Amino acid sequence: DIQMTQSPSSLSASVGDRVTITCRASQDISNYLAWFQQKPGKAPKSLIYAASSLQSGVPSKFSGSGSGTDFTLTINSLQPEDFATYYCQQYNAYPFTFGQGTKLEI
Amino acid sequence: QLLLQESGPGLVKPSETLSLTCAVSGGSMRSNSYYWGWIRQPPGKGLEWIGDIYYNWETYYNPSLRSRVTISIDTSKPQFSLNLTSVTATDTAVYYCARRSVGASGSYAHWGQGTPVTVSA
Repeated sequence: DIQMTQSPSSLSASVGDRVTITCRASQDISNYLAWFQQKPGKAPKSLIYAASSLQSGVPSKFSGSGSGTDFTLTINSLQPEDFATYYCQQYNAYPFTFGQGTKLEI
Repeated sequence: QLLLQESGPGLVKPSETLSLTCAVSGGSMRSNSYYWGWIRQPPGKGLEWIGDIYYNWETYYNPSLRSRVTISIDTSKPQFSLNLTSVTATDTAVYYCARRSVGASGSYAHWGQGTPVTVSA
């Protein structure tokens, strides 16, 4: 199985900050990488697919980059609604695997 | 607008079979452009992929669950289902159904709201 390792596991930030979350795959996954945002009690929401493509309706403050094994999610100008848990997921090969999550806190 | 809605019992006894259904509205399940999947999340933990099914019944399962899991599809209803046999307390989780596109854009763009399942006597 492909292991997905996110860092940091938790992150404290303030409104207006810019933050970056990293995700590393245990082997080359090309650009088959997605990012999700999850708020308590809610289903995950797709933000980014194909490593850097913004899902329809997602604000441009979210951006993704990377290919191969190293990927990043950047969130600009943090707003209160952005404080959530973020997951990366590889869909290059079955079984699909998720990172352990990054909890973004105020 | 695509909507996915999970349904099924919220409480299952140990050693029994967990059965869930995901009803699909606002989109055709007969398309060869999508996979239909199940993902779960134990309380306070991260996301675990369970499996995918294609419109032609082609299935892919997580090896950690393969001996106990079956995903089926009924494009006429339209819905797809999850059966997980011999459940234990470790199968307690919120279960989500989701749809993803074929190919490089194929992340899970659409999710159901999730249904909590507790395994307990």
